[in-house]
Amino acid sequence: QPVLTQPPSASASLGASVTLTCTLSSGYSNYKVDWYQQRPGKGPRFVMRVGTGGIVGSKGDGIPDRFSVLGSGLNRYLTIKNIQEEDESDYYCGADHGNGSNFVYVFGTGTKVTVL
Amino acid sequence: QLQLQESGPGLVKPSETLSLTCTVSGGSISSSSYYWGWIRQPPGKGLDWIGSIYYTGNTYYNPSLKSRVTISVDTSKNQFSLKLSSVTAADTAVYYCASWHSALHWFDPWGQGTLVTVSS
Repeated sequence: QPVLTQPPSASASLGASVTLTCTLSSGYSNYKVDWYQQRPGKGPRFVMRVGTGGIVGSKGDGIPDRFSVLGSGLNRYLTIKNIQEEDESDYYCGADHGNGSNFVYVFGTGTKVTVL
Repeated sequence: QLQLQESGPGLVKPSETLSLTCTVSGGSISSSSYYWGWIRQPPGKGLDWIGSIYYTGNTYYNPSLKSRVTISVDTSKNQFSLKLSSVTAADTAVYYCASWHSALHWFDPWGQGTLVTVSS
């Protein structure tokens, strides 16, 4: 199954941009990744899914246009443009692997985004 | 619009069994479009998938928890449940239930989560 690696923290000044990276382990370059946002004290919510061709499907409910994704090689990126205070959250990537009886879902360790 | 709500005891003694229920509203748990999952988050840590179930009763478990986990579904009550046996302090976490669309392949929506503390 894939391992998803995320840097523990990222920061950006109010109104600037920040790009978060989720790196798949070797051999999983064709995998799609889901991004989730978790605001302080809240449950996670789905942001969007990304493959090497970009967004897969639609964004989650209420996700602003400021959020976008790209995928390249083993990396899946989530970019937040014109970052707002409300975007200060933990961001997790996740991926499904296998089908049938060997299905698993794995999460990355998360990136804490601070708005300066 | 689907909504999910977790319920169950907030305190469980070590070595006992943790039991939680997730009630689904705004849609049928028997829908062929969805799987139903449990995810947990220890305090200050990341997300950990526990397992998922289809309305037919087919289950899929995290290999690291498989020996202690049972997930079941009650279609008559539109609920699914989690049982985790032989708990220790390491099982203290916020437990979330969530729906996983079989065609879209992501968890959405999630319940608000419920904190379960393992302590004597």
